[in-house]
Amino acid sequence: DVKVTQSSRYLVKRTGEKVFLECVQDMDHENMFWYRQDPGLGLRLIYFSYDVKMKEKGDIPEGYSVSREKKERFSLILESASTNQTSMYLCASSSQGTSGANVLTFGAGSRLTVL
Amino acid sequence: AQSVTQPDIHITVSEGASLELRCNYSYGATPYLFWYVQSPGQGLQLLLKYFSGDTLVQGIKGFEAEFKRSQSSFNLRKPSVHWSDAAEYFCAVGPGTYKYIFGTGTRLKVLA
Repeated sequence: DVKVTQSSRYLVKRTGEKVFLECVQDMDHENMFWYRQDPGLGLRLIYFSYDVKMKEKGDIPEGYSVSREKKERFSLILESASTNQTSMYLCASSSQGTSGANVLTFGAGSRLTVL
Repeated sequence: AQSVTQPDIHITVSEGASLELRCNYSYGATPYLFWYVQSPGQGLQLLLKYFSGDTLVQGIKGFEAEFKRSQSSFNLRKPSVHWSDAAEYFCAVGPGTYKYIFGTGTRLKVLA
């Protein structure tokens, strides 16, 4: 059935560690996204990618980078984790639908705690 | 500025009662509109979407939403709520390409 898989559901890291969050989709979607979800703030876009090796900054890219070497895989990287990056991270993918709009399909999320 | 407002942070209803979740948006052009549901510990699942045409759209799990351009609203409704509907609901608007704006969510509690 699915679709968008985030390999790590729960992670606990220490301040200063490098963190990789992996996302894989099996729907051959062109677009992939990383969101951050915090209570009371909804979802905020960190980065997105519309093609292999292409990436665009979202609304809150500071402290994050991404990598897309293959169409199905989109990685979020925290070069030096900080406590304010403790959050739920959601990966999503989409394609150009026939109706002209992209519908996002989400993974189950990765809850990161930085100590 | 573009924004989505979900004015109700929490809503509690009894099982079998009707439900309406509010969503208001501010957007320069005609938006694409979405409602997503998030069960505890899970990602977001699409309930329904509006692109054009009939302003009353039907979704999964018995939900529907009505687009009212004059009020800049896209409220979600369900005539009879089930205990399994307890979740968090997100309204989103977008241009149909990459950048979507999500509301802050409404958490629904269902009383038995």
